[in-house]
Amino acid sequence: DAGVTQSPTHLIKTRGQQVTLRCSPISGHKSVSWYQQVLGQGPQFIFQYYEKEERGRGNFPDRFSARQFPNYSSELNVNALLLGDSALYLCASSFSDEKLFFGSGTQLSVL
Amino acid sequence: TQLLEQSPQFLSIQEGENLTVYCNSSSVFSSLQWYRQEPGEGPVLLVTVVTGGEVKKLKRLTFQFGDARKDSSLHITAAQPGDTGLYLCAGEFWNQGGKLIFGQGTELSVKP
Repeated sequence: DAGVTQSPTHLIKTRGQQVTLRCSPISGHKSVSWYQQVLGQGPQFIFQYYEKEERGRGNFPDRFSARQFPNYSSELNVNALLLGDSALYLCASSFSDEKLFFGSGTQLSVL
Repeated sequence: TQLLEQSPQFLSIQEGENLTVYCNSSSVFSSLQWYRQEPGEGPVLLVTVVTGGEVKKLKRLTFQFGDARKDSSLHITAAQPGDTGLYLCAGEFWNQGGKLIFGQGTELSVKP
């Protein structure tokens, strides 16, 4: 079975642009969470979606938004990119709340 | 302010040595998880501890959850180069499954 897949793997943008990151959960998993990992830090929670509903939101500005589709895949959108948005963006899926399976992430560089 | 403090942040040891990584907080968690992350990959779950005072073993790795559910430790016996990686602790509050609070991580390097 395929694990959590994220696309693209790498992305370079300039300040002020907008970006969309995509995540496909493990088959059968209905929950998707997004995390931001800045170099040298642990991941920081951005959003969680369950059955297409937002279940939780971390301390991130409104420039960050997300949605979950009927097939449980998810997109993370970031508007008006700042240099500080450069990070590894991780998607995790779960069947229950007990165990998260992480994808390999999208490395976003903002120049 | 970091809710979960991990120490040390960096650790470089020789093969065969023992080591302990600590994860401390002033908050009480319903469970605490340990992950290992390699470059270019997402974190992979090693263990979840849910009961205060719980000890779990995974081959040469021993995990302990503090009695008050505020802290945890990871002990590696006879470290090997394959243990090299970033070790992350992550706490979870009650009724907030899927929302993990991660520590800063411990970068472990085991030299042959």
